[in-house]
Amino acid sequence: GAVVSQHPSRVICKSGTSVKIECRSLDFQATTMFWYRQFPKQSLMLMATSNEGSKATYEQGVEKDKFLINHASLTLSTLTVTSAHPEDSSFYICSARVTGGNSPLHFGNGTRLTVT
Amino acid sequence: EDQVTQSPEALRLQEGESSSLNCSYTVSGLRGLFWYRQDPGKGPEFLFTLYSAGEEKEKERLKATLTKKESFLHITAPKPEDSATYLCAVQAGYGGATNKLIFGTGTLLAVQP
Repeated sequence: GAVVSQHPSRVICKSGTSVKIECRSLDFQATTMFWYRQFPKQSLMLMATSNEGSKATYEQGVEKDKFLINHASLTLSTLTVTSAHPEDSSFYICSARVTGGNSPLHFGNGTRLTVT
Repeated sequence: EDQVTQSPEALRLQEGESSSLNCSYTVSGLRGLFWYRQDPGKGPEFLFTLYSAGEEKEKERLKATLTKKESFLHITAPKPEDSATYLCAVQAGYGGATNKLIFGTGTLLAVQP
């Protein structure tokens, strides 16, 4: 149980274009999902908390107009990287919690974004 | 400021050579400490949750322990398939389910046959 599916696993796009990444909880409902970014040999950095039916909460330094988050249902959150630049190239990972404030986060398999 | 520090950054073991990974933390109001395993190009895979000092959890060759300042992940007689990056994360503070996890930078474990 507690499977989080993320799609696509890899994407290459040109500078200036937008890319959408999907995150689905397959066997549970998630009112809250989390989006992380990971640079090589670095820790996971929380970008934003996605809340079903309401606006996402962004961490300090994360541009909300650049990283658009939509959480339209209890099983789907999307992250759209708008007007992508090469410096946006990174590994993006979503996660969700089953129930309860202290239950573990379960992660998707990540999306490797390369902006050329 | 809440902080999580893992050591060593990298560890190379021979198959069967037991060792421990360390996760030190300074947080206000620990709600839980989590261990994850991450393989290259994949998302983290959940291993353990520890909630209070003195607690221990085991799974196959792995055993996690917790004190008020740190957690250890003990690996007994490791095999090459245990090679991965092991991440520690803490959930701190007070409130509802949206409390975020703070991750350490991980320990890259390589087990040689």
